[in-house]
Amino acid sequence: GDSVTQMEGPVTLSEEAFLTINCTYTATGYPSLFWYVQYPGEGLQLLLKATKADDKGSNKGFEATYRKETTSFHLEKGSVQVSDSAVYFCALSDQGFQKLVFGTGTRLLVSP
Amino acid sequence: KAGVTQTPRYLIKTRGQQVTLSCSPISGHRSVSWYQQTPGQGLQFLFEYFSETQRNKGNFPGRFSGRQFSNSRSEMNVSTLELGDSALYLCASSVDNSPLHFGNGTRLTVT
Repeated sequence: GDSVTQMEGPVTLSEEAFLTINCTYTATGYPSLFWYVQYPGEGLQLLLKATKADDKGSNKGFEATYRKETTSFHLEKGSVQVSDSAVYFCALSDQGFQKLVFGTGTRLLVSP
Repeated sequence: KAGVTQTPRYLIKTRGQQVTLSCSPISGHRSVSWYQQTPGQGLQFLFEYFSETQRNKGNFPGRFSGRQFSNSRSEMNVSTLELGDSALYLCASSVDNSPLHFGNGTRLTVT
């Protein structure tokens, strides 16, 4: 079945450092790909998405490119802030946008 | 616009009991999905309702059920609770074919 693999956390960075969180997927079709973020005590918020190969999703300085050849959707940000500390989830869906398969999540800790 | 509202935020139940969780979607959203989040299994899809019909179902036992009302509000029910049902239950709503908007969840503890 479909699956998503994310790098283990926590990822610990200093403010203004460059961020990469790796995400690879396995799917039989051509899924849509997502990054969601979860702040403590809250639900998930959509960060960005891409629905076809070579699409780049971007939001709030975060970017990810749908790479079909490497089945990857790595999340990047050029300069992280303390307020970016959260858990980041990579997800895919090949049945509309409602039934998502999530990765295990990567906790990001940014220190001043 | 109000977000997805889940009630209650916290719930403590005893093994063998049943529980009902409630979700009010964003106004105009007709699709409601439910997810279970645990440290061990992560985020897992339970089911999705659209216009009062279950449209998709995850791989959970029949003790987990749900329904959707004509105003799109949804409830999920878990019967004969087990310790392993302790989790954060997340509800999400969407306009069809658009990304999910999640609520803050109901944290269920089974003792």
